[in-house]
Amino acid sequence: GAGVSQSPSNKVTEKGKDVELRCDPISGHTALYWYRQRLGQGLEFLIYFQGNSAPDKSGLPSDRFSAERTGESVSTLTIQRTQQEDSAVYLCASSVTSPETQYFGPGTRLLVL
Amino acid sequence: GDSVTQMEGPVTLSEEAFLTINCTYTATGYPSLFWYVQYPGEGLQLLLKATKADDKGSNKGFEATYRKETTSFHLEKGSVQVSDSAVYFCALRLQGGSEKLVFGKGTKLTVNP
Repeated sequence: GAGVSQSPSNKVTEKGKDVELRCDPISGHTALYWYRQRLGQGLEFLIYFQGNSAPDKSGLPSDRFSAERTGESVSTLTIQRTQQEDSAVYLCASSVTSPETQYFGPGTRLLVL
Repeated sequence: GDSVTQMEGPVTLSEEAFLTINCTYTATGYPSLFWYVQYPGEGLQLLLKATKADDKGSNKGFEATYRKETTSFHLEKGSVQVSDSAVYFCALRLQGGSEKLVFGKGTKLTVNP
């Protein structure tokens, strides 16, 4: 069956521009997570959705970062006024219901010039 | 705070060699422990997990035992194959708290024929 998909797979942007990253979870998965992986680092948790509510958004690094989710479907992570330190791979994961096994997408590689 | 420390890589082995990748953790409460694997060009996949002390997780010839007394979850395989070349991530999830995963930095394994 279809796994978690993310788009775009790669994004190059200029400092100060806004970017939107998209995640399509596995159908029927109610829980959705965003993580960030900087070069040479482990994955950092950003935000967790259960349905379309976000009970844990403690990992969002600044108010430039926001995320939303439509029902139990697509989620978008928006980064406003991008900075070079935002360059990373952004990973999305979903699970049937938390805290079951999380299934990861292939990630979006973001480069801010 | 909660954290995971795993051995620095990269690790290079010959086919059929014994593999150990060390992982220790710091957590309040009683975490579930995981090993995820990322094969070249692919997304993160769950390799194995253990949810309580003395549990042993196993999959594809890999094993890890949840050791509460040493706060460790070392990954082992008796005879590695070239196809095991990947990046391995140790992670924890607190039970009853936030549903996020806390990851180590990853260990890159290369197995030569």
